[in-house]
Amino acid sequence: NAGVMQNPRHLVRRRGQEARLRCSPMKGHSHVYWYRQLPEEGLKFMVYLQKENIIDESGMPKERFSAEFPKEGPSILRIQQVVRGDSAAYFCASSPPAWQETQYFGPGTRLLVL
Amino acid sequence: ELKVEQNPLFLSMQEGKNYTIYCNYSTTSDRLYWYRQDPGKSLESLFVLLSNGAVKQEGRLMASLDTKARLSTLHITAAVHDLSATYFCAVGGDSNYQLIWGAGTKLIIKP
Repeated sequence: NAGVMQNPRHLVRRRGQEARLRCSPMKGHSHVYWYRQLPEEGLKFMVYLQKENIIDESGMPKERFSAEFPKEGPSILRIQQVVRGDSAAYFCASSPPAWQETQYFGPGTRLLVL
Repeated sequence: ELKVEQNPLFLSMQEGKNYTIYCNYSTTSDRLYWYRQDPGKSLESLFVLLSNGAVKQEGRLMASLDTKARLSTLHITAAVHDLSATYFCAVGGDSNYQLIWGAGTKLIIKP
């Protein structure tokens, strides 16, 4: 049973470019969460999605950031016109469709903005 | 607003010793999770605690939850080098899914 998959694992972008981060949840999981982690800090919730629906995006910056989880294919976190402050590790987690279930994390994408 | 505090944030200890990491949270919650993260790696689920008085053990790690005190502890018994990692607690927020994370405790175990 493959775990949560994220790609790319490392991404380097110059200021002003776009970053696309992909996440494939574990088999049987229909809930996807995106988190951001700055060095030496805990995780900050960004967005929670189910298939074709954004349930809660309260942790996501209003501008430049968007997320989707289409009916087919992986969830995508998109950052437009990246700035240096976007440099961080972005983790995706998935869980089964029942609350209190443990969230299982992918390996993360480390984004570096030059 | 739910806030989660871990202490200590950094802990260096000798192999064979016992120690406890604390996780305090500010408002009522019905679930608490402990995760482990190795440097540059993802987060691995260790424990899920869902009720007052819950205690779970796995190897040299034992986690407990006191919902009245809003406190969870992660106890390490006879530490070994392989347990060196950063340990996070995460507390369930108002919604079913949202987790509020502590800043993490970086644990270094010296041989």
